[in-house]
Amino acid sequence: ETGVTQSPTHLIKTRGQQVTLRCSSQSGHNTVSWYQQALGQGPQFIFQYYREEENGRGNFPPRFSGLQFPNYSSELNVNALELDDSALYLCASSPGLDYGYTFGSGTRLTVV
Amino acid sequence: DAKTTQPPSMDCAEGRAANLPCNHSTISGNEYVYWYRQIHSQGPQYIIHGLKNNETNEMASLIITEDRKSSTLILPHATLRDTAVYYCIVRSTRSGNTGKLIFGQGTTLQVKP
Repeated sequence: ETGVTQSPTHLIKTRGQQVTLRCSSQSGHNTVSWYQQALGQGPQFIFQYYREEENGRGNFPPRFSGLQFPNYSSELNVNALELDDSALYLCASSPGLDYGYTFGSGTRLTVV
Repeated sequence: DAKTTQPPSMDCAEGRAANLPCNHSTISGNEYVYWYRQIHSQGPQYIIHGLKNNETNEMASLIITEDRKSSTLILPHATLRDTAVYYCIVRSTRSGNTGKLIFGQGTTLQVKP
């Protein structure tokens, strides 16, 4: 079985721009979560999608938005990028709400 | 906020057992204890989880105290590749809950030759 794949692996954007990060879930996984990890910190929960519906959100502003597609792949969109958005963005998928998560290797976003 | 407390760092000699403690004194009856680890610049890797019984898999053992207020992750024969940040997480799988993972600062385990 394939794991969780994220693209791109690295990205540099300018403050004020918009970015879309992509995640391909592990086969059979209908739940996907996104996390932001700043340097030296633990991952922080952004939001989660279950069967294409958002079913949980962390303390992140509305300019962080997402989508989950019928094939359970997912996107994280961030508008009006700020310097503090520089971080490792992690996607994690699960076969259901009561199961463990498999994480991707992340996308390293640098905002300059 | 994270519901667990872990020491910020630990050292372990290669080949010896690494015992990583975690305090979760406010854990409730429907919350599981999960352990993940994160090797530098990679995504977190699932290790093991348990509710109240001790658990063992090919990677590690998880010992949960009878009152469930603390637990210990045991890596029986640590290798240099086990050097990582280890996160202890309590997670609710109650119906309707997102089951999100709340990461704390974790324990940085340094395995030394």
